[in-house]
Formats: sequence, C-alpha cells, structure tokens
Amino acid sequence: DARVTQTPRHKVTEMGQEVTMRCQPILGHNTVFWYRQTMMQGLELLAYFRNRAPLDDSGMPKDRFSAEMPDATLATLKIQPSEPRDSAVYFCASVPPLYSGGPDTQYFGPGTRLTVL
Amino acid sequence: GESVGLHLPTLSVQEGDNSIINCAYSNSASDYFIWYKQESGKGPQFIIDIRSNMDKRQGQRVTVLLNKTVKHLSLQIAATQPGDSAVYFCADIQTGANNLFFGTGTRLTVIP
Repeated sequence: DARVTQTPRHKVTEMGQEVTMRCQPILGHNTVFWYRQTMMQGLELLAYFRNRAPLDDSGMPKDRFSAEMPDATLATLKIQPSEPRDSAVYFCASVPPLYSGGPDTQYFGPGTRLTVL
Repeated sequence: GESVGLHLPTLSVQEGDNSIINCAYSNSASDYFIWYKQESGKGPQFIIDIRSNMDKRQGQRVTVLLNKTVKHLSLQIAATQPGDSAVYFCADIQTGANNLFFGTGTRLTVIP
C-alpha cells in the first residue's frame, strides 16, 4: 500500500530555532506539494515541485521558509528562524504523472504538527 | 486567485440517515473536482472525484453531483455511519495545473 510519508510527525521547538520537515512522495509521483493547515486559515498551499523543479512558491514566506527536492524521493521544507505563528500542521502531498491512470488527485501524507514556543 | 467555498461549516446527522454536504466554486475554468475526507490527526484522504463533463458520479455509499450552471457540487453519503465523522473538503482544479484550491471544510458529526 503505497503512501506518502512525513517526518517528524510532531515537532516542538523554541522560537528562533531551525526546523526541517521531510517528505517521501509515493514512488513514481512527479509532483509534490507542501501545505500548511491551521484552524484560522485552513489548507494553504506553500509550494510545489514537478520533476523536482520548483513551480510555485508564492504562498511561502521567502525570508524564513525554503523548500527543496534534493532527489525524487525526498522533499524538504525548512523554516529558519521559526516563529510562534508558524505553529501549524504541515502536509506534503504527491501526484502521479498527468493522465497516468486513476484519479488525478493529490495523495496526502499524515502531516507534521509543528509547535513553536 | 479564485477559491472554492463551503456553505455550512458544521453538519450533524443521525446514524443511518443520509448526509448532504454542499460546496460552491467560483472558477468557471475548473474542470475537475474532488472531495476529501480528513479525520482528526490525519491528512486529507481522497473520497471521490468528478470531471466537468459529468453531472453525477457514484461510489460506495457516496455520490457527487455537479451543477456547472450554478457552480455547485455536493457530496451525498448514504446511511451515514459513525466512521464518517470527519471534516470534508471540496477542491477544484484545472486539468494540467495540478494546484488544488480547497474550501474551508465542513465538519460532519454522526450522532449514534
């Protein structure tokens, strides 16, 4: 049963510390998304990659957030320095190549719950 | 950009009854719509999808209806069970664009 994995599942850190979240997309999926979910804002798209190239990161605060895909099996989202307002659940989702069969939908990971004190 | 919205933030139904969750979208170029279910502590999970060339699609206990004239879609859950309690999101997408626009979600509570 292929699924998206994310690590860590939970992270508590102090303001000013660096936070790195990792995502392993489903093997063969070529598009990867990062979302942030809060009670107030719902699901917000932060950035996404296709074939490891960043396509859109307009939803991401550039001064402290960075997203990369060092290889096809790993996507990272880094916050440096972290702030209390970054507290949220961060989801990664992956998508199979377009028209590859099956629903053209996003498969979500379990999320990383980040708390910045 | 344009976004998808939901009419009701919460819905409570009796176990065994049918549930209907509604959603409005604003982007007339959207041609693919998806319903997700998110249980507490988990990521959104695909339920059912529908393309704009269809009005109705049925799955196991779920039916999605699409009305393109008024830009409205709904999710019907038959014989609602306690395990259906979750937040339900609709999302729209333009084929090839890949970036989904999510609504704020509707919390469904099933009363035993």
